[in-house]
Amino acid sequence: DIQMTQSPSSLSASVGDRVTINCRASQSVYTYLNWYQQKPAKAPKLLIYAASSLQSGVPSRFSGSGSGTDFTLTISTLQPEDFATYYCQQNYRTWTFGQGTKVEIK
Amino acid sequence: QLQLQESGPGTVKPSETLSLTCTVSGDSISSSNYYWGWIRQPPGKGLELIGRIYYSGTTYYSPSLKSRVTISVDTSKNQVSLNLNSVTAADTAVYYCARGVSWELHNWFDPWGQGTLVTVSS
Repeated sequence: DIQMTQSPSSLSASVGDRVTINCRASQSVYTYLNWYQQKPAKAPKLLIYAASSLQSGVPSRFSGSGSGTDFTLTISTLQPEDFATYYCQQNYRTWTFGQGTKVEIK
Repeated sequence: QLQLQESGPGTVKPSETLSLTCTVSGDSISSSNYYWGWIRQPPGKGLELIGRIYYSGTTYYSPSLKSRVTISVDTSKNQVSLNLNSVTAADTAVYYCARGVSWELHNWFDPWGQGTLVTVSS
């Protein structure tokens, strides 16, 4: 299986901060990489597909980048509703998720 | 608007079979444009893909669960079903169904159902 490792596992940030979350694959997944947001007791929500394509309806402060083994999710200006856990997911082979990054209020 | 709703027993005894249904409204599960997946999340932990099924009936299962899982569709009821046999406490999780989308070989799940908690306990 392809292992997906996110860093950090958690972070504390303030409203207005720029936040970056990293995701590393154990082998190349090209751009077969998605990002999801999950709020407590809610289902995950798709933010980014194909590494950098913004899902319809998702605010433009979210962006994704990377290819191969290293990917980044960036929130340009953190909003109160962005405090959540974020997961990357590769869909290149035997699809797998990262372990999640929890974004908490500082 | 597409909606997915999982349903099934909240508690299953060890060694028995977990059976869940996902009722889809707002779209036909027979559409060739999409597929349907099941994903689970143990309490306080991350997401694990269980498997997916295409309109053709083709299924793909997680290697770690393949020997115990069956996913099927009932087009007359617009439902997707999950069966997981020989359950243990490690199968305790929130189970989600989701619509799968494919575009130029890229795949993602959107939207997801609200999820249903299944506890394995005697």
